[in-house]
Amino acid sequence: GENVEQHPSTLSVQEGDSAVIKCTYSDSASNYFPWYKQELGKRPQLIIDIRSNVGEKKDQRIAVTLNKTAKHFSLHITETQPEDSAVYFCAAHEKLTFGTGTRLTIIP
Amino acid sequence: DAGVIQSPRHEVTEMGQEVTLRCKPISGHDYLFWYRQTMMRGLELLIYFNNNVPIDDSGMPEDRFSAKMPNASFSTLKIQPSEPRDSAVYFCASSLTSGEQYFGPGTRLTVT
Repeated sequence: GENVEQHPSTLSVQEGDSAVIKCTYSDSASNYFPWYKQELGKRPQLIIDIRSNVGEKKDQRIAVTLNKTAKHFSLHITETQPEDSAVYFCAAHEKLTFGTGTRLTIIP
Repeated sequence: DAGVIQSPRHEVTEMGQEVTLRCKPISGHDYLFWYRQTMMRGLELLIYFNNNVPIDDSGMPEDRFSAKMPNASFSTLKIQPSEPRDSAVYFCASSLTSGEQYFGPGTRLTVT
């Protein structure tokens, strides 16, 4: 089945700096790659997604890049703010497999 | 729409008791998912349904777990008998076709 690996498991960045989280997947048939944000005690919520026919997608301070050949995709958050602190999960949708999560802490 | 609704929000039970978690998906969504989240194992997909039919239950940990979806607006996840290692937050999510999944608030289960 699908195997999704996510790195790093924890990430601390200064407010205003950029944060990058990376995921790799194993199933070349996967064609949908969402990113979810989960704040403490809350439910996961979709923040951005990308389909396999696109290499990059951007939404304000958030962007996702996809390299289908290498089977990896990344989340980029620019100009980080304290409210970006949360756990972020990637997923490769074909097999509905989530990564293990990255706990992002923004240091004021 | 009120979003995905789960009940109860919290459940505390003793080992050996039966536990039933309930979920109402967003109206019109044709996929329903059950997840379990723990610190040790992260977010695990247990089972998902498409048009009320179970498609993949390979994530169900063992025979003590069962899930049903008798109609498009209701699903249950049952654990019988419950064990302390079942303690976790259980999320239900729904989606339209294979797009964005909308998660419910979760049920925090504690088995003592």
